[in-house]
Amino acid sequence: NAGVTQTPKFQVLKTGQSMTLQCAQDMNHNSMYWYRQDPGMGLRLIYYSASEGTTDKGEVPNGYNVSRLNKREFSLRLESAAPSQTSVYFCASSDDGGLYGYTFGSGTRLTVV
Amino acid sequence: AQSVTQLDSQVPVFEEAPVELRCNYSSSVSVYLFWYVQYPNQGLQLLLKYLSGSTLVKGINGFEAEFNKSQTSFHLRKPSVHISDTAEYFCAVNGGSNYKLTFGKGTLLTVNP
Repeated sequence: NAGVTQTPKFQVLKTGQSMTLQCAQDMNHNSMYWYRQDPGMGLRLIYYSASEGTTDKGEVPNGYNVSRLNKREFSLRLESAAPSQTSVYFCASSDDGGLYGYTFGSGTRLTVV
Repeated sequence: AQSVTQLDSQVPVFEEAPVELRCNYSSSVSVYLFWYVQYPNQGLQLLLKYLSGSTLVKGINGFEAEFNKSQTSFHLRKPSVHISDTAEYFCAVNGGSNYKLTFGKGTLLTVNP
């Protein structure tokens, strides 16, 4: 029972490099989310996908793009990484629009140097 | 719009002492409220949730929370903490229709021997 799987777990990028963070869920959930966690800031929503085929901006979307590849997978792309994007990234999924809570992945720790 | 304020960024306590982690929220609609726990270097795990009904909600690991609509609060309590409860705790609110959880900035609970 994997739940939400994120890859990679750790990544170091140089400024200007690009990368894609992968997320997959096996719970047949409709909605998926990307959050970033920074010390003292809590979790902030980057993008979300209410259902397959739709994506919407969250609180801090600048510098990111997303793709809802199918019902299971939701990827986050950094086109040109900046040091300000150093953070821990969490993917989550939910059913019923998140009214009953989210299931989170274990996170990707990204450092941009 | 909805928001969450966690009133204490850090709460140090001794083992077997009681603890209360405070959370206030604001929302223009009926809310669903959550507490999540994050152990070091892990993802977030749902501790408990309030959807409707009884205002006293019991969760995992002996935690409970009380929903107080008049004070717009959802404080988390445990009568006797253990070393293993050391973690960061996040309060979150869902306003019901926007598919998005809004998180507080977190409270770091440190249980000392």
